[in-house]
Amino acid sequence: GAVVSQHPSWVICKSGTSVKIECRSLDFQATTMFWYRQFPKQSLMLMATSNEGSKATYEQGVEKDKFLINHASLTLSTLTVTSAHPEDSSFYICSASRDSGGFETQYFGPGTRLLVL
Amino acid sequence: SQQGEEDPQALSIQEGENATMNCSYKTSINNLQWYRQNSGRGLVHLILIRSNEREKHSGRLRVTLDTSKKSSSLLITASRAADTASYFCATDVTRGSRLTFGEGTQLTVNP
Repeated sequence: GAVVSQHPSWVICKSGTSVKIECRSLDFQATTMFWYRQFPKQSLMLMATSNEGSKATYEQGVEKDKFLINHASLTLSTLTVTSAHPEDSSFYICSASRDSGGFETQYFGPGTRLLVL
Repeated sequence: SQQGEEDPQALSIQEGENATMNCSYKTSINNLQWYRQNSGRGLVHLILIRSNEREKHSGRLRVTLDTSKKSSSLLITASRAADTASYFCATDVTRGSRLTFGEGTQLTVNP
C-alpha cells in the first residue's frame, strides 16, 4: 500500500505555456500533500504544503500565482506551472502524508521532469 | 529554517563493503527519516527513527540517532551494486509537519 502516482512523468513545453502536474494517492486518503522541486544534483526543496479543501501554504520565495496548487479531494492534488520559462525546468516531486502506526510518513511520487524550451 | 547537512557528499565503495553516511541538523526534531533516490526517480522511504530512539535496524540498514549532537548515521552493510543511489535524511519538527531534507550523499557501489 501507500502508492503515490504522478502524471505526466515528463513534459516538454514551449516558453509561456502552462503545465499541469497531477499527484494522486492511489490506495489511501491524504489530507496533506507536499510539492517539492529538485534541480540536478541538488536536494529537494519544499515549494508548498497542500491541504484538502483549503489554500496551499507556500514556502518563502515561491510565487503562488506562478505555481497554482489545487487540492480538490483527499486523493488528488494538482500543481500548475503558469507561463513556464526555461528556469522553471526542474524535477517536480509530490508526496502524500499518511498516518502509519501513529506516525505521519510521507510517501513520494515518482516525479515529473519538466523541460521548458 | 533548519537545513540538514550530509557527509560525505559522494561515496564510492566496492560491492560487499559497508557504507556509512552521516546527517546533521540544527533544531530539535520529532522524527528523522532516510530516503533513497535512484537517478531521475522519486524517493523511496527507507527507515524512520523517532527522537527518543537511538538505534534502529531494517534488513541491511542500521540507523543511529544522537540528539545531543543533532546527528544521525545510516549504515548499509554488505553493499550491492543495486544500492547505488542518492541517500537523503529528512527531519520534521512536529508530527505531520514539513520535511527538511539534507543535501544528500551520492553512493556508488562498484561491482
